[in-house]
Amino acid sequence: QSALTQPASVSGSPGQSITISCTGTTSDIGDYDYVSWYQQHPGKAPKLMIYEVSSRPSGVSNRFSGSKSGNTASLTISGLQAEDEADYYCSSYTSSSTWVFGGGTKVTVL
Amino acid sequence: EGQLEESGGGLVQPGGSLKLSCAASGFSFTASAMHWVRQASGQGLEWVGRIRSKPKNYATTYAASVEGRFTISRDDSKNTAYLQMNSLKIEDTAVYYCTRTTSTATGVAFDIWGQGTMVTVSS
Repeated sequence: QSALTQPASVSGSPGQSITISCTGTTSDIGDYDYVSWYQQHPGKAPKLMIYEVSSRPSGVSNRFSGSKSGNTASLTISGLQAEDEADYYCSSYTSSSTWVFGGGTKVTVL
Repeated sequence: EGQLEESGGGLVQPGGSLKLSCAASGFSFTASAMHWVRQASGQGLEWVGRIRSKPKNYATTYAASVEGRFTISRDDSKNTAYLQMNSLKIEDTAVYYCTRTTSTATGVAFDIWGQGTMVTVSS
């Protein structure tokens, strides 16, 4: 199972919106609405930000939103803040009953 | 709020074995599937494997990279999951995280994570 494809880096100024893409295949993203997104600050454990494509866990800011079209999922961060600077990973359940992650995207707040 | 705490990491020689533990508290361990995810230094996350709950017969699934070498087990009486790692390779060096999924919360997404334990495979 190959990793999902994410851009290595995305940047934006405070207050702007950015979007991170995550491309998979018909065996993962394209087959299930089980895409999730994780935020990871340096030296810390990942934190769930979005599950089932577009649902937010309790406590996660509504500045974070998710969507999917075909084999590609996206995470949008609106009103970018300094605290949003982190690595972001997408993940999907697969047709092999396994999970696959993306390579990660480093978000920089300019 | 649920918590997970890993232990058992350390330095091991190539070809050696190591067993990690993951102690759970603050949530229904028996209703959760338990997973292991690893992260090599400076690299991305890699799903390692999963053990389902008792109603699902404690079924296990593994990533191809560890299939046949790693075994996940659990002891519901101790609220603890384990990762037995055999025939370790240098490329298994990573921080190993314990995490969970449950249909009663966020479905197949990993909503609770431990702090991770470091495994170094080196001669």
